[in-house]
Amino acid sequence: DTGVSQDPRHKITKRGQNVTFRCDPISEHNRLYWYRQTLGQGPEFLTYFQNEAQLEKSRLLSDRFSAERPKGSFSTLEIQRTEQGDSAMYLCASSRDSQETQYFGPGTRLLVL
Amino acid sequence: DQQVKQNSPSLSVQEGRISILNCDYTNSMFDYFLWYKKYPAEGPTFLISISSIKDKNEDGRFTVFLNKSAKHLSLHIVPSQPGDSAVYFCAASVTGNEKLTFGTGTRLTIIP
Repeated sequence: DTGVSQDPRHKITKRGQNVTFRCDPISEHNRLYWYRQTLGQGPEFLTYFQNEAQLEKSRLLSDRFSAERPKGSFSTLEIQRTEQGDSAMYLCASSRDSQETQYFGPGTRLLVL
Repeated sequence: DQQVKQNSPSLSVQEGRISILNCDYTNSMFDYFLWYKKYPAEGPTFLISISSIKDKNEDGRFTVFLNKSAKHLSLHIVPSQPGDSAVYFCAASVTGNEKLTFGTGTRLTIIP
């Protein structure tokens, strides 16, 4: 399977804990994106990378959120001091280049108790 | 401010008939549009896209129509099949800006 993969698929945590999600994009895709989807809504853009450079961050991405793509391959999204409002599906997507189709992974469903 | 709107939360269509899903947008800067399909517990799957220089794009059973003056696009699926039952999202972007802006989705149910 050469699609986008995400790990873990599900995460339950207590409020105040830190969580980290991983995304492995399609091989040779330079662009990597993070989105968040809550119930009844479409995915909302969080941030994206061109290789290892983080080029844009949404205002949805508070200072408790940090994303990295250290070697321009996989990416991690960390949420510190989780809040119940962080409960959502976190989606990763990748594309070969600018203005190319974004292909999504299966997502990580986060539940903060 | 919902820049991409899918006003029908759900739609039921008989198998073999045409399914028409609609999407409206407010941002006139959008120039690239996509449709994604999503099954429960999976990520969105790309279906078809259209650039603003076209008014129609076709791929097998799927056709997307774009009406720029009305800021409206639609996805036609014909003939509809049971496997088409899913949530469909319309998305839009602006050339030079990487983020996709999604609608809230339409749940399509194909009735056998």
